[in-house]
Amino acid sequence: DGGITQSPKYLFRKEGQNVTLSCEQNLNHDAMYWYRQDPGQGLRLIYYSQIVNDFQKGDIAEGYSVSREKKESFPLTVTSAQKNPTAFYLCASSIVSTSTGELFFGEGSRLTVL
Amino acid sequence: AQSVSQHNHHVILSEAASLELGCNYSYGGTVNLFWYVQYPGQHLQLLLKYFSGDPLVKGIKGFEAEFIKSKFSFNLRKPSVQWSDTAEYFCAVEYNQGGKLIFGQGTELSVKP
Repeated sequence: DGGITQSPKYLFRKEGQNVTLSCEQNLNHDAMYWYRQDPGQGLRLIYYSQIVNDFQKGDIAEGYSVSREKKESFPLTVTSAQKNPTAFYLCASSIVSTSTGELFFGEGSRLTVL
Repeated sequence: AQSVSQHNHHVILSEAASLELGCNYSYGGTVNLFWYVQYPGQHLQLLLKYFSGDPLVKGIKGFEAEFIKSKFSFNLRKPSVQWSDTAEYFCAVEYNQGGKLIFGQGTELSVKP
């Protein structure tokens, strides 16, 4: 079954700890994205990558880091520098070459910082 | 700055009522337009999209949206909603083909049986 797998689904961490959220896709998509979803604010783009070993900051990149060493994988690290990390994080992918723009989403990871 | 605005944060309707959710975006040249839906407990999925051609596009489950270029709007409509339409709806805009999607704030739709 093709799709996007995010893990863990729920994560609790203490303040000051870095956490890494996993995102894997087997759709052979070129581009991958990380969004943050907060109530009343919709989805805000954190980072995106259109090709392996390259990524760009989105609108709210501060306090986050990513890597794209493999086409299938785009992990997101929420660092201790992120001031308000408790949120719902969504990973998505798309086909860049056809420029359809349609995103395919994972089920999300809910991070709670205690 | 590129932005997308959804005017209604929470809409409550009875079954069989008509629905219209507003979406406006800031000018930015050529755009591709999308509506995504997130049903309770499910992941976001595409409802419909507009790239070019007929400004009235039809999506899944009886939804449609109209692109009005002069108003920078892409409103979502459904003539008769069902309880199963209860979900959160997001408008999204892709500025400059191949770029990132900018999402609106989302509209939560509650349909009373």
